[in-house]
Amino acid sequence: DQQVKQNSPSLSVQEGRISILNCDYTNSMFDYFLWYKKYPAEGPTFLISISSIKDKNEDGRFTVFLNKSAKHLSLHIVPSQPGDSAVYFCAARADTDKLIFGTGTRLQVFP
Amino acid sequence: ETGVTQTPRHLVMGMTNKKSLKCEQHLGHNAMYWYKQSAKKPLELMFVYSLEERVENNSVPSRFSPECPNSSHLFLHLHTLQPEDSALYLCASSQVWDSGDLSFEQYFGPGTRLTVT
Repeated sequence: DQQVKQNSPSLSVQEGRISILNCDYTNSMFDYFLWYKKYPAEGPTFLISISSIKDKNEDGRFTVFLNKSAKHLSLHIVPSQPGDSAVYFCAARADTDKLIFGTGTRLQVFP
Repeated sequence: ETGVTQTPRHLVMGMTNKKSLKCEQHLGHNAMYWYKQSAKKPLELMFVYSLEERVENNSVPSRFSPECPNSSHLFLHLHTLQPEDSALYLCASSQVWDSGDLSFEQYFGPGTRLTVT
């Protein structure tokens, strides 16, 4: 049973608009949530994280929102740029040595 | 070299072969990980080494054998694999805090695309 779910396998957004990537989780014991970005032929790279004691974390164009009651996490990218086209993985930390990943959402930003 | 490197980038092997995947991190980290990524599945954690000691073995079949000779190098020895083991194998590294906890921020290598025929 998947503890971290990304139900949208793909998302297409026009350049300059907002991209919203969603992630749902089932384990209320998760204490950190992360987003990774992956380009083809490269490994995932860390993008942004949020602790379970917060509901928002912002870093430039990237903002992560956490709704603990809904067990829902989202990544907002605004404004979206063509270079943001990649696969985005949501991950959650179950204990101090393990990350649980979602299946990823492929974002395509078109001109 | 910078970051996390993996060799080879692509590997095709028969079911009776023995091969090894290599990972090297140049970040001064002291925890290393092996992940498996199969098509349309989440990244699956296979092994975790912290301070060169294996701290996690996520129910991985014995045909996969990890080795961590020092904090910078990690190997995954493969033997008698099955076609369903074909996947992208990713290595990652992270810091270990003085408390012994692992940093949640992991740095990944580019992966080895393995095909078992």
